[in-house]
Amino acid sequence: EADIYQTPRYLVIGTGKKITLECSQTMGHDKMYWYQQDPGMELHLIHYSYGVNSTEKGDLSSESTVSRIRTEHFPLTLESARPSHTSQYLCASGATGTSGRAVGDTQYFGPGTRLTVL
Amino acid sequence: KNQVEQSPQSLIILEGKNCTLQCNYTVSPFSNLRWYKQDTGRGPVSLTIMTFSENTKSNRRYTATLDADTKQSSLHITASQLSDSASYICVVSDRGSTLGRLYFGRGTQLTVWP
Repeated sequence: EADIYQTPRYLVIGTGKKITLECSQTMGHDKMYWYQQDPGMELHLIHYSYGVNSTEKGDLSSESTVSRIRTEHFPLTLESARPSHTSQYLCASGATGTSGRAVGDTQYFGPGTRLTVL
Repeated sequence: KNQVEQSPQSLIILEGKNCTLQCNYTVSPFSNLRWYKQDTGRGPVSLTIMTFSENTKSNRRYTATLDADTKQSSLHITASQLSDSASYICVVSDRGSTLGRLYFGRGTQLTVWP
């Protein structure tokens, strides 16, 4: 079992609230990722990080922001939540391959946060 | 366009029976293919990973095959158990970038009945 944690597991909040989804890993992985997944649909990459102070946007446009101040921590923040943000958010981490590239990396996923915005 | 298609979308089988899930992909250049198991409300967990040169790989009751020429993979589950009920996701990685992009299928929802 991978050592990657997400909190909270479930969150129900009202429109307009600011929220932060926490993700931590204890494996020392340099790469971390945030995915959004709706029921029955594929995972969509919304943010990723190569390492400390590195953050990039993924394929799916998202109004969320991320930060990477410490290797083990990769929080995701929504400044003003809306019902359209209702989804499952999955955090993952992975290590760089010996060639220095991400090829062949296995991503280890956290348990996810189920967010509902009313 | 890089895509991963899985079939069937859902499958119901009786406990003890075998089943095979399919995955077709168009990802290029291909790096590797993984099968993940995702229990309801949980994150995906890796079952197998295969590179271009590997045709088959087993992990307990799970056997994955890969045909890189036809860009097809299958996951065979033997002697199914109730705990096999989950979504099985095919994930293909390209080697066209340092990120090692992952392309996810929508998964096959497997339900095992007693």
